[in-house]
Amino acid sequence: DAGVTQSPTHLIKTRGQQVTLRCSPKSGHDTVSWYQQALGQGPQFIFQYYEEEERQRGNFPDRFSGHQYPNYSSELNVNALLLGDSALYLCASSYRPSGGRGTGELFFGEGSRLTVL
Amino acid sequence: KNQVEQSPQSLIILEGKNCTLQCNYTVSPFSNLRWYKQDTGRGPVSLTIMTFSENTKSNGRYTATLDADTKQSSLHITASQLSDSASYICVVARPGNTPLVFGKGTRLSVIA
Repeated sequence: DAGVTQSPTHLIKTRGQQVTLRCSPKSGHDTVSWYQQALGQGPQFIFQYYEEEERQRGNFPDRFSGHQYPNYSSELNVNALLLGDSALYLCASSYRPSGGRGTGELFFGEGSRLTVL
Repeated sequence: KNQVEQSPQSLIILEGKNCTLQCNYTVSPFSNLRWYKQDTGRGPVSLTIMTFSENTKSNGRYTATLDADTKQSSLHITASQLSDSASYICVVARPGNTPLVFGKGTRLSVIA
């Protein structure tokens, strides 16, 4: 049973460029959440996708956008990259946005390490 | 303000020793509290999830406690191993579909 898979694992961009990160959720999961984790910090919630729509959004600018496909996979797009966007971007999947009747357990991918020069 | 505070920020212990990590939260309303282990450069992995009615939950050498009255939780690691070296993140969930609140984590280093 494949877990959450993310690609690419590492990438380097320059200021002003655009980047697309990809995520495939764990089998049986239909909800994808994206997090940004700066070095030495806890993950910060970016947004959540369910039924191909953005359901929740954290305090991130419009430069951060996303998409969810019918197969539940998701993309995170960041435009006009800034040096401060350098971070580990984590994708997490769950069954239903709040886990339905369960505890809403999240399964995380290994992350995409973005470096902006 | 909904916050999760963890202490200590970092900790170094000898292999085989026990340690306890602390988590205090002000998140309200409360649904559940989770502890994750995150190896450097990797994604977090769930250790335990505790709801309001659960005081203690174990996962192998990891034992989490929860005092919902004082809004405190602890993660006790028994007979530490070198592979326990990681960041341990405390996360609190609110009811419904609201974003989880993450602590900054405790960085544990187990040395031989």
